[in-house]
Amino acid sequence: AQSVSQHNHHVILSEAASLELGCNYSYGGTVNLFWYVQYPGQHLQLLLKYFSGDPLVKGIKGFEAEFIKSKFSFNLRKPSVQWSDTAEYFCAVNAGNMLTFGGGTRLMVKP
Amino acid sequence: KAGVTQTPRYLIKTRGQQVTLSCSPISGHRSVSWYQQTPGQGLQFLFEYFSETQRNKGNFPGRFSGRQFSNSRSEMNVSTLELGDSALYLCASSLTGRRDTEAFFGQGTRLTVV
Repeated sequence: AQSVSQHNHHVILSEAASLELGCNYSYGGTVNLFWYVQYPGQHLQLLLKYFSGDPLVKGIKGFEAEFIKSKFSFNLRKPSVQWSDTAEYFCAVNAGNMLTFGGGTRLMVKP
Repeated sequence: KAGVTQTPRYLIKTRGQQVTLSCSPISGHRSVSWYQQTPGQGLQFLFEYFSETQRNKGNFPGRFSGRQFSNSRSEMNVSTLELGDSALYLCASSLTGRRDTEAFFGQGTRLTVV
């Protein structure tokens, strides 16, 4: 069975700081990778996804992630965060018919 | 197009009761999945339905069950509620449910068991 771990449970940044959230997964076969975001009081929304091809994927709102197969990692990055990025971020993998989520990272951006 | 709709948004139930939650997927989506979200356990997969058939099931007791109708709408039922069942229950729909398709989530139903 697959598993996902997110290294940081809570992150506090000032506006304009750079962001990198770690995500590692465990699965021996082919997976598809996702980052979802949950803004306060809102539903989970897809930030970006990796299915195949270029391991550097770009998503909405200036987010990007890099898939490093040898490290089983899919880290999320943003060069300059904004106060509106305050949310909880979830990494997920799909090996077939179900998503397995990491524990989530709560990001607080101070204005 | 309309998103994933879950009803009701909030529920308060007593221990021992049962509850049914409803999910209407995005039009054309045939796969519906259910997840439980709690502060302690995070997001955990409950089950997935495709064309009225349960294709995958998470590690939850038999008190948790579901079904899918011919119009792809899905219901989830929890019997003999326990305090630990208090959670946000999320429904997600996708075209096929396969690993290379995107899942769209509803707002969730927040269940409180007292």
